[in-house]
Amino acid sequence: AQKITQTQPGMFVQEKEAVTLDCTYDTSDPSYGLFWYKQPSSGEMIFLIYQGSYDQQNATEGRYSLNFQKARKSANLVISASQLGDSAMYFCAMRRTGTASKLTFGTGTRLQVTL
Amino acid sequence: GAVVSQHPSWVICKSGTSVKIECRSLDFQATTMFWYRQFPKQSLMLMATSNEGSKATYEQGVEKDKFLINHASLTLSTLTVTSAHPEDSSFYICSARDDSRHGKQYFGPGTRLTVT
Repeated sequence: AQKITQTQPGMFVQEKEAVTLDCTYDTSDPSYGLFWYKQPSSGEMIFLIYQGSYDQQNATEGRYSLNFQKARKSANLVISASQLGDSAMYFCAMRRTGTASKLTFGTGTRLQVTL
Repeated sequence: GAVVSQHPSWVICKSGTSVKIECRSLDFQATTMFWYRQFPKQSLMLMATSNEGSKATYEQGVEKDKFLINHASLTLSTLTVTSAHPEDSSFYICSARDDSRHGKQYFGPGTRLTVT
């Protein structure tokens, strides 16, 4: 079974600062993928970034980067230069490799960007 | 990025009626789509996995006769909530898997269902 843990129910960050959202996971599968999604108040789940378990380098997508520490089973999301529009819920998710696999979500972290 | 549409975005219906929600992948083919339910301030709960051309796979505790899923084509899956009751009121989100992009999963904008 897979499990995703997000220990921060809420976070505050000042505009233009960087913020790290924590995510740890547990799985016995050797091959898996890790995802981060953003859910603004509108409800839509927006894909942010993906990291494969065998990827050698940490994934980056614009202002988003994933701090992947495989031995610690952590996949923290780093948002640089926070903007007011970054205020939203953020969900970490994982899925084992394979066409029949399903995403397992964490409980989410609500990020609030302040002036 | 890939686009998934969902229709309607919100719907209000009376108790006992049925409601159909459509999910379309607009710029890719999706052999697998997923239906989630989300309660306020909670995470997404997977209801079922929709497979093109075959029966959906339901998660434990989800009534398949109440939540009918049809994945008739590679770009369309539908969820029908039959004989809706107020407790079915929720936010329903579909997702489509793009196997041409490492199986990345893209989500629709969601449908807010209110049963009166």
